[in-house]
Amino acid sequence: QVQLQESGPGLVRPSETLSLTCTVSGGSITSYYWSWIRQPPGEGLEWIGLVSYRESTNYNPSLKSRVTISLDTSNNQFSLKLHSVTAADTAVYYCTGGGGWLPDAWGQGTLVTVSS
Amino acid sequence: EIVLTQSPATLSLSPGERATLSCGASQSVTNNYLAWFQQKPGLAPRLIIYAVSRRATGIPDRFSGSGSGTDFTLTISRLEPEDFAVYYCQQSAHSPLTFGGGTKVEIK
Repeated sequence: QVQLQESGPGLVRPSETLSLTCTVSGGSITSYYWSWIRQPPGEGLEWIGLVSYRESTNYNPSLKSRVTISLDTSNNQFSLKLHSVTAADTAVYYCTGGGGWLPDAWGQGTLVTVSS
Repeated sequence: EIVLTQSPATLSLSPGERATLSCGASQSVTNNYLAWFQQKPGLAPRLIIYAVSRRATGIPDRFSGSGSGTDFTLTISRLEPEDFAVYYCQQSAHSPLTFGGGTKVEIK
């Protein structure tokens, strides 16, 4: 079973770019599908998008204009960039992985707060 | 987008009782790509059921899933203290992947 760990700033200013990295251990980034999912405080889960081992991407239409997800095969990592953030983007961000689109392995999550 | 609607929002039960959670989809979830996750406070969701009825690794057999098309059910046959949590259904049949709003199983 792969293990995932998110890293990145816990505070981002409004209108700036949220950048997170997920480090994968126990498996190769060149296998599987890798997703980002977020959860605003006290709310439910929202899928942001995914990147495949072939580096093809698929994004939630609600965020597509602001999101980039990419692989870094040299470091066995994948990343999330969310541009032009607002307070509504405050959430716990999870990186996940799976043999298909199903997110069956999850990182512990990282809280990102958007505030000036 | 497939909208998943879970009911009830909250289920108040005692340990040892049976829990039945429902998940309805706005359109058919093809290829049985319907899963259930358990989430406890402060922790990441954990996969418990995938492909409608298959238990994930390490999940006890008191958890079972059923259904097809647009109607799905998660059943916990006898609630243990560690089962009190929020449960989400999720579909991976169509993009965007979507989750239900969750059912909180709380101690009565």
